[in-house]
Order: sequence, then C-alpha cells, then structure tokens
Amino acid sequence: GAVVSQHPSWVICKSGTSVKIECRSLDFQATTMFWYRQFPKQSLMLMATSNEGSKATYEQGVEKDKFLINHASLTLSTLTVTSAHPEDSSFYICSARGKRSSGRAPDTQYFGPGTRLTVL
Amino acid sequence: RKEVEQDPGPFNVPEGATVAFNCTYSNSASQSFFWYRQDCRKEPKLLMSVYSSGNEDGRFTAQLNRASQYISLLIRDSKLSDSATYLCVVLETSYDKVIFGPGTSLSVIP
Repeated sequence: GAVVSQHPSWVICKSGTSVKIECRSLDFQATTMFWYRQFPKQSLMLMATSNEGSKATYEQGVEKDKFLINHASLTLSTLTVTSAHPEDSSFYICSARGKRSSGRAPDTQYFGPGTRLTVL
Repeated sequence: RKEVEQDPGPFNVPEGATVAFNCTYSNSASQSFFWYRQDCRKEPKLLMSVYSSGNEDGRFTAQLNRASQYISLLIRDSKLSDSATYLCVVLETSYDKVIFGPGTSLSVIP
C-alpha cells in the first residue's frame, strides 16, 4: 500500500490565491522530505529539501518566499504556493526518506501520488 | 553538461522485444543509483536499485559502470504493461541530493 500520501490530489484555483499541499509519511518517520515539480513531458525537478525541525534548502532558481515549506513533524511536510499564477500550474510531488530505525531503507525515496495544480 | 543524461526517446518496440536504456552521470562522487518508472500523470515508482556488481529482477537487469559513470537497464520479453517513462536517478549522498534524469519513454506495441 501507499506509504506517502499527498493532499489534495488536484486543485484548481484563481490567480493570486495561495494553495497548501500536504505530504505525509503514513507508516514510517521521514527525516527528510523532498518537493519536486514536474511540467508536462519533462522530468522531475527538485525544488527543495526539508529536514524536520529546520529550514528547507531550496534549489537554485526556486523562490523560497513563494514556495513556503514547513516540516513540522517527522510525518508531515507542507508546501504552500503563495500568490499562485498560471505559470505555477504543474504536478507537485513530494517524497520522503525514512529513518534507519523506521524499517524503511534510508537511501530509498518513497513518493507521494502527486498534486496537480491548475491556476486559472 | 547535464548532471544525469538519458537516451532520448521514445522507444517503440513490439511485445517480446528486448530493449536497453542507457544513462550517464557527471559527478564521480555519486553514491547510489536507481531506476524508476513513471506512468502517465502518476508519481514515479522505484523499479530497482543499481549495484556495482549488477543485479537482476525477473525480466529486468541493471548494471553500473563507475569508471565510465554509466548505468543501464535491460528489459527482456517486453510486455504491454512495461509502457512507461523510465527515469535514471542518482543520489549524491554528500549533498543529500537526488537527481533525476530526463527520462526515456517506452511504448510496447502489440
């Protein structure tokens, strides 16, 4: 079964609104969570890496004030797209890497099902 | 040069064919390697890890050549259900960074 969930699975919003996406590890503690964005016919592009209890590390070219990441616990990370615009429309995918004590292989990433964001 | 490069696709093969995907990576310090498959509009799913000694899982064989910084995936006896995009993934442990290749699309035709 799924080990990482995302909510919502899809969202349509008006330009200028903010959208929050949740990523949860369901049966293990995730020390690190990753947020990716994937445009049509392209590969996944890493946006940021977040460790529980610390600030996220953003990849070059990703605006940290626009894509707010909060990793409040070992099972939950959130990505908020602030003041979304049509160019932010994309498939957002999170992944989680487990703690060694969790029984999940630490080098393996477990992906959420993704959130499809459409900004009108 | 891109950090991870893959064969440009798409690959269109008949059922039962053998198909090979190639991947090269630029950082010699890369530690771990994986092949993922991604179905249309879905999240990537781990297909297999890639070990230096080479590894096989049923119809799938993965190989790693560290000296050449090259990874391969061989699929034997292709099935229609193998149609997907195959992503080469490299983990740079020192930076805790995972890098995806651009993916190679495979269509298995009846």
